[in-house]
Amino acid sequence: DGGITQSPKYLFRKEGQNVTLSCEQNLNHDAMYWYRQDPGQGLRLIYYSQIVNDFQKGDIAEGYSVSREKKESFPLTVTSAQKNPTAFYLCASSTTQGKTQYFGPGTRLLVL
Amino acid sequence: QKEVEQDPGPLSVPEGAIVSLNCTYSNSAFQYFMWYRQYSRKGPELLMYTYSSGNKEDGRFTAQVDKSSKYISLFIRDSQPSDSATYLCAMNAGNMLTFGGGTRLMVKP
Repeated sequence: DGGITQSPKYLFRKEGQNVTLSCEQNLNHDAMYWYRQDPGQGLRLIYYSQIVNDFQKGDIAEGYSVSREKKESFPLTVTSAQKNPTAFYLCASSTTQGKTQYFGPGTRLLVL
Repeated sequence: QKEVEQDPGPLSVPEGAIVSLNCTYSNSAFQYFMWYRQYSRKGPELLMYTYSSGNKEDGRFTAQVDKSSKYISLFIRDSQPSDSATYLCAMNAGNMLTFGGGTRLMVKP
């Protein structure tokens, strides 16, 4: 089955800790995206990558970092600099020409 | 003012009702319009995708775009309890999507 997988489903972060969220896709899509969703709010773009070894900041990149070493993988690290990390994190992918994005199941990050 | 405005709801309807969900936007460069359905604690699922003004139908769902008014709608006929979810509109003028805040729909049996 083609699709996007995210892991873990739930993640707990202690204060001062960096945590990494995994996103993998087997759709052969070039572009990948990370969004943050807070209760009752729409999706806000954190980072995106349109090609391997290249990525750009979105609207709310502060406190986050990413890498794109493989086409299939786009991990997101929530650093200790992100003071309000509790949210639902969504990964998406698309073709570079595509106008639609396809989403993974999400990771819920909670702070202990 | 947000680029894409969407009434957050919640919108509560009885089973079998016709549901109308709407978004307005301000950026006339938007060309592609999408509706996503998101169940609680799940990722958004693409429902409908349209390019031009007019209507597009898929089963019980109809997407309508009026570019002159900068207004898009999603109609759901014969609504079912399984349609209870948050519906997100999205649109783009390139490869980046701009989302509405979502409308929460509840269909009561």
